[in-house]
Amino acid sequence: AQSVSQHNHHVILSEAASLELGCNYSYGGTVNLFWYVQYPGQHLQLLLKYFSGDPLVKGIKGFEAEFIKSKFSFNLRKPSVQWSDTAEYFCAVNGRNDYKLSFGAGTTVTVRA
Amino acid sequence: NAGVTQTPKFQVLKTGQSMTLQCAQDMNHEYMSWYRQDPGMGLRLIHYSVGAGITDQGEVPNGYNVSRSTTEDFPLRLLSAAPSQTSVYFCASSSHDRLQETQYFGPGTRLLVL
Repeated sequence: AQSVSQHNHHVILSEAASLELGCNYSYGGTVNLFWYVQYPGQHLQLLLKYFSGDPLVKGIKGFEAEFIKSKFSFNLRKPSVQWSDTAEYFCAVNGRNDYKLSFGAGTTVTVRA
Repeated sequence: NAGVTQTPKFQVLKTGQSMTLQCAQDMNHEYMSWYRQDPGMGLRLIHYSVGAGITDQGEVPNGYNVSRSTTEDFPLRLLSAAPSQTSVYFCASSSHDRLQETQYFGPGTRLLVL
């Protein structure tokens, strides 16, 4: 069975600081990888996704993630956060031929103005 | 398109009561699923469906039933509510044509079981 581990439960940053959220997964085959974001009071939205090709993926709002196959990792980064980036971030994975998504426990990011 | 809609937004139940959480999508997506979100545990898959008439269990199916009589609707039924089912429930859908399609989530139903 696949599983996803997010390293940080809660991250607190100041505006303009850089953000990196760790995500590791375990799965025995080819995977699709996702980062979802949940802003306060809202539903999940897709930030970015990786299926194949360039392992550095760019998403919305200046976020990017790098897939490192040898490390089973898909870390999320943003060079300079804004107060509006305060949200909960979820890493998710499914097998290439499997609909079922497995989510990590989530990381709450609080950006202080 | 309205996307994925869920009703109700909030619900309070007493232990033992039953209810149905509604989910509908207007994107003609074949795949639909139900998740529950609990603090510190992320989202866990309850049940999913790959098309009308086809459903299967996810990671935490006990205490829940689903059916898929149409492409658009995928209701989740709580047979006899328990306090452990207090959670936020999300419905999601995606296209069947390409497995890499993004899952689109509804706004969620917040359920409190007393």
